[in-house]
Amino acid sequence: NAGVTQTPKFRILKIGQSMTLQCTQDMNHNYMYWYRQDPGMGLKLIYYSVGAGITDKGEVPNGYNVSRSTTEDFPLRLELAAPSQTSVYFCASSFRAGQNQPQHFGDGTRLSIL
Amino acid sequence: AQSVTQPDIHITVSEGASLELRCNYSYGATPYLFWYVQSPGQGLQLLLKYFSGDTLVQGIKGFEAEFKRSQSSFNLRKPSVHWSDAAEYFCAVGGNNAGNMLTFGGGTRLMVKP
Repeated sequence: NAGVTQTPKFRILKIGQSMTLQCTQDMNHNYMYWYRQDPGMGLKLIYYSVGAGITDKGEVPNGYNVSRSTTEDFPLRLELAAPSQTSVYFCASSFRAGQNQPQHFGDGTRLSIL
Repeated sequence: AQSVTQPDIHITVSEGASLELRCNYSYGATPYLFWYVQSPGQGLQLLLKYFSGDTLVQGIKGFEAEFKRSQSSFNLRKPSVHWSDAAEYFCAVGGNNAGNMLTFGGGTRLMVKP
């Protein structure tokens, strides 16, 4: 049972480059999320999706884009990488039913922008 | 707006000693509360959750947490810490919002002395 899978695990980008962080889940979860984690700051929500074709901004969406064409996949796109986007990125998913459903996390993508 | 404060950034305890990690939340209605643990290089793993009923909740790995509405707290406890408990711990609050979104505290890093 794979759960939430993120690729790549590590990546170094140059300023101005673009890339897509991949996230896929095999639990048939409706809801998916992208967070960034910076030291001492906890996790900040970038974007989320409540189902295929539906996405919305979280707390820190600037510089990122997402799409949700299938239930399983929720890629995060950085168009013009900036040093401020150096962070660890986590994808998560949860069931739709009930507000008490926990989120399940992937192992993260560590991204450095130089 | 909901918020979570974890007052202790770092805590060091001796192996076998008891542990309490503090979490204070701000939320206008009955909150849904979670504790997650993150080992180095890993994603977040759910330890326990509270959404109603008994205010003392049991989780995995021998952890428990107590919801105290009057103090807006949800502290995590363990009677005897093991070296493998060294990790970062995050408290999170959710509520009746679209997308089942969570707000995370800044985290507490636990170190265990032999």
